[in-house]
Amino acid sequence: DARVTQTPRHKVTEMGQEVTMRCQPILGHNTVFWYRQTMMQGLELLAYFRNRAPLDDSGMPKDRFSAEMPDATLATLKIQPSEPRDSAVYFCASASGTGYSGANVLTFGAGSRLTVL
Amino acid sequence: GNSVTQMEGPVTLSEEAFLTINCTYTATGYPSLFWYVQYPGEGLQLLLKATKADDKGSNKGFEATYRKETTSFHLEKGSVQVSDSAVYFCALIRSGAGSYQLTFGKGTKLSVIP
Repeated sequence: DARVTQTPRHKVTEMGQEVTMRCQPILGHNTVFWYRQTMMQGLELLAYFRNRAPLDDSGMPKDRFSAEMPDATLATLKIQPSEPRDSAVYFCASASGTGYSGANVLTFGAGSRLTVL
Repeated sequence: GNSVTQMEGPVTLSEEAFLTINCTYTATGYPSLFWYVQYPGEGLQLLLKATKADDKGSNKGFEATYRKETTSFHLEKGSVQVSDSAVYFCALIRSGAGSYQLTFGKGTKLSVIP
């Protein structure tokens, strides 16, 4: 089965350190999402890209978070500097096509669990 | 804005019990509605969906009917199994071309005991 691959699966770091999470979307999928999951807030959309261009990053704290797609096979989410409140599970998802009709092929990765001490 | 409200969990059921997880939504226009399931340590997987009023989505014994009059999309299963233990998320996408922005509920954790 085609899958979205996220690395690292687990990351423990200290406050102030830079954290980079990576995502390999399904080959041929042109839309990539970053979500954050916490107990308090549930699932929050941080940013998403179509054809590598950022379409919406309004859910992302701009001062410390950045998301990029250096190429079609790699999406990155960077936090610098990290803070304890960033502790969460970060999910990447990818989809093909355009518009909501493609939601049935929104495929999630297994997530990157981040703990900031 | 769009929002999804799910019943709070956790929900604990015995095997073969009947399951209902309530979901109501607020949205402009005519959204598409979804249920996603998240098994421990995994990402979310699409369980079922409905794209217009009165549609019934179904998969793996689960069903949900899009009720526009009550703005609801309750998830049901007639006989749960231990393997159904997971977190279930109700979600919507607002109508309109070019939109992929899923709005999720907070999730309902289901535990099924033998």
